[in-house]
Amino acid sequence: AQKITQTQPGMFVQEKEAVTLDCTYDTSDQSYGLFWYKQPSSGEMIFLIYQGSYDEQNATEGRYSLNFQKARKSANLVISASQLGDSAMYFCAMRFDTGGFKTIFGAGTRLFVKA
Amino acid sequence: DTEVTQTPKHLVMGMTNKKSLKCEQHMGHRAMYWYKQKAKKPPELMFVYSYEKLSINESVPSRFSPECPNSSLLNLHLHALQPEDSALYLCASSQDLSGLASYEQYFGPGTRLTVT
Repeated sequence: AQKITQTQPGMFVQEKEAVTLDCTYDTSDQSYGLFWYKQPSSGEMIFLIYQGSYDEQNATEGRYSLNFQKARKSANLVISASQLGDSAMYFCAMRFDTGGFKTIFGAGTRLFVKA
Repeated sequence: DTEVTQTPKHLVMGMTNKKSLKCEQHMGHRAMYWYKQKAKKPPELMFVYSYEKLSINESVPSRFSPECPNSSLLNLHLHALQPEDSALYLCASSQDLSGLASYEQYFGPGTRLTVT
């Protein structure tokens, strides 16, 4: 069965430091996509970064990078130089070929950035 | 324009009311989605439309009725809801459903629904 696991309910980071949010997944599909979304208290889900199962290089988008370890089935999000505006809920998600390209989400990690 | 809009932002309705949520996108996306999100939980998929046809219904109760009148609009009709249906309802769109699952979903700001 397809599953996404985020084991960190809450994380604290000092402003300007880097932080890693963990995500592991389980799927028998060979073709899948991994996504990270940010959800501020306003409620809107903001797309951050994408990694395809066949991508050999780790994805990067500005201050966001995805540490993709396929054999370990992990897709951790690294945020560099944290800013106060990074305080939000972060969801790891997976989209897979079977099941009509449904997207499933992990439980989320609440990130608190301290000044 | 990479925006998905949703109206209303907030909705309070009684259990006997009929109301509708509206979602609109003008990005030319051909897949649109409804999600339900309870407080402190991840979004849960409800419906997926692909090219204006219902592609996925995640066993949602019939008191929720989706409609896709055209490629830019997605409605969710609500009737005889229960208090436990109170949640944030998120609409999303993506380019389409084909490909290597690479098309990210763009989400709207959501409608906060309270059923009294």
